[in-house]
Order: sequence, then C-alpha cells, then structure tokens
Amino acid sequence: NAGVTQTPKFQVLKTGQSMTLQCAQDMNHEYMSWYRQDPGMGLRLIHYSVGAGITDQGEVPNGYNVSRSTTEDFPLRLLSAAPSQTSVYFCASSYPGLAGRETQYFGPGTRLLVL
Amino acid sequence: QQPVQSPQAVILREGEDAVINCSSSKALYSVHWYRQKHGEAPVFLMILLKGGEQKGHDKISASFNEKKQQSSLYLTASQLSYSGTYFCGTPYYGEYGGSQGNLIFGKGTKLSVKP
Repeated sequence: NAGVTQTPKFQVLKTGQSMTLQCAQDMNHEYMSWYRQDPGMGLRLIHYSVGAGITDQGEVPNGYNVSRSTTEDFPLRLLSAAPSQTSVYFCASSYPGLAGRETQYFGPGTRLLVL
Repeated sequence: QQPVQSPQAVILREGEDAVINCSSSKALYSVHWYRQKHGEAPVFLMILLKGGEQKGHDKISASFNEKKQQSSLYLTASQLSYSGTYFCGTPYYGEYGGSQGNLIFGKGTKLSVKP
C-alpha cells in the first residue's frame, strides 16, 4: 500500500493563479481531510470529507474549494492564490471508529509558495 | 479551541528525560499525540482516552487527567531519534456529529536531543 500520496511536492504560484493539490489514498478510508501548517501555528483543518459527495468546512476554509467524487481522491483547489496561502499542505485520511478515537494518516505534504 | 502546549522547545542530552504538557479550556474526551520530523509528515504516536488512561510507545508514555483537562507526554532516556516536534490534538467536531478523525492541534513542542 502506498498509503496517502500527494502531488506536487512543491509548487510556486503567482498571486491570482489557480491550482489543484492532489491527494489520493489506497486504504479505502472513508474520511479524508486537508490541513495547512504554518510556522509556529501547528496544523489547521481546512476542509474534510466523510465520504464521496460529502464535504464540510474546517477551521480555515476561506480561499479553498473541495469536492470528492471517489473514495480514493480528495483534491484541494485554490481558485485565486494569495501570498497568505503560502504554507505546507497535508492531506490525511482515517477510517470510521468510535468518535474522537479515529487515527489519521498523513501524506508527505505539498509545499506551496505564492509570490 | 486550540490546546496549549508547554514548553515550546526543549533541548536534551541523550539519556535525559522530558515532559511535554497539553492542556485545554474545554472538556477533553481524548487526546492524540503526533511526532513530526523536519520536512516530514506528522506520525501518530498514541491516543489517550477519558478515564486517566496511560499508554506507552517504546520509552515514550503519556497520561490523561480529565479533571485538569490535561495530558502529558513523558520521554524517558531520550534517544537521538526522539528529536522532532511533538503535537497534541483534540477532536474537532463539525457538521456531522463525530470528529471523523479531525483534530485541533496545539502549536507544537520542538524537542532536540544532542549526543
């Protein structure tokens, strides 16, 4: 199993450009999430999905869009990139369990620089 | 509400012990601990559940005091491989009732182990 994979590993964008960060998992996990990590801030939840076709906002959803058409894939879209979106983005997945006890498995991350 | 970790950073010599604390202003039902090495994804260490449970992972153990709304991570006889940033996380409850594995992470404690 590859686990959680993310592409690209690194990306440079200009302000106003759009792009999609890809995330895939081969563990048949129902739940998938996106976090961003900024220096000294920890990881913050952007959006998450509880299954194909079902998504919800997390702590910091503004400027990001998601959809989930398959169990395996959960792309994150930046419609108009801003310098404030410069960050490291992590995708994570987990399987259903007792509430609050599910373990998340993280992908290797995408480093995004917006100029 | 983001859990508060202390200290922010610790420098140890090999073989020394350390304690990392994680506290919350909200009632805690579970606390998750992760370790992240530089440039890598966070890796799950353990979950502590309501009830004062203690757990161990190699020479790393943790406790959970629900009355104090606090969890502590104990690193005993530290090794060079323990270096990294340690995060605690508490469940994020969104639209769909449960947490779906999603967490609100603390800002992290950077642990450096020197030879």
